[in-house]
Amino acid sequence: KQEVTQIPAALSVPEGENLVLNCSFTDSAIYNLQWFRQDPGKGLTSLLLIQSSQREQTSGRLNASLDKSSGRSTLYIAASQPGDSATYLCAVGNTGKLIFGQGTTLQVKP
Amino acid sequence: DAGITQSPRYKITETGRQVTLMCHQTWSHSYMFWYRQDLGHGLRLIYYSAAADITDKGEVPDGYVVSRSKTENFPLTLESATRSQTSVYFCASRTSGGDTQYFGPGTRLTVL
Repeated sequence: KQEVTQIPAALSVPEGENLVLNCSFTDSAIYNLQWFRQDPGKGLTSLLLIQSSQREQTSGRLNASLDKSSGRSTLYIAASQPGDSATYLCAVGNTGKLIFGQGTTLQVKP
Repeated sequence: DAGITQSPRYKITETGRQVTLMCHQTWSHSYMFWYRQDLGHGLRLIYYSAAADITDKGEVPDGYVVSRSKTENFPLTLESATRSQTSVYFCASRTSGGDTQYFGPGTRLTVL
């Protein structure tokens, strides 16, 4: 059974810092991996999607990497801003369904 | 409005009552999903649907019923609500060939 783990559960950083969020999964037979953002009381917004054949994807200040062989993905956020404060979830995709990690709650302090 | 909507946004009910959560999407996406989000468990898939009249169980289907008579609607029914079904419920959709799921705003359900 696929299990997805995100560490740490919470992270607090000062504004301007570069940071890395981690995601690990137990079964490397994945179709893709997605990173989502969730603001308090809101739904999930897709940030980046990496297909299993890809190594990384970039969008603005966000860069996500995927290493299937080691079962790891990272989300790199450059020059963090208070507006980046949210919960970030990774989800592994296979057979059209998603398995989610529990998320990392990020607080960026001004 | 275009997109994916859920109703109600908040619901309080009592143990044993039947509750239906609604999900509506305007994109004509083939696939629709129901998740529940709980502290300590993250999001878990309850049911999903590949098209109208085609549904299948996810990870935690017990106690829930779904139907999909129209492409745009995917209601989730709790036949006899229990306290353990207190949760935030999210609906999502995607195209048949796409990978990205688009989520609704969620319904916070409290079962007393």
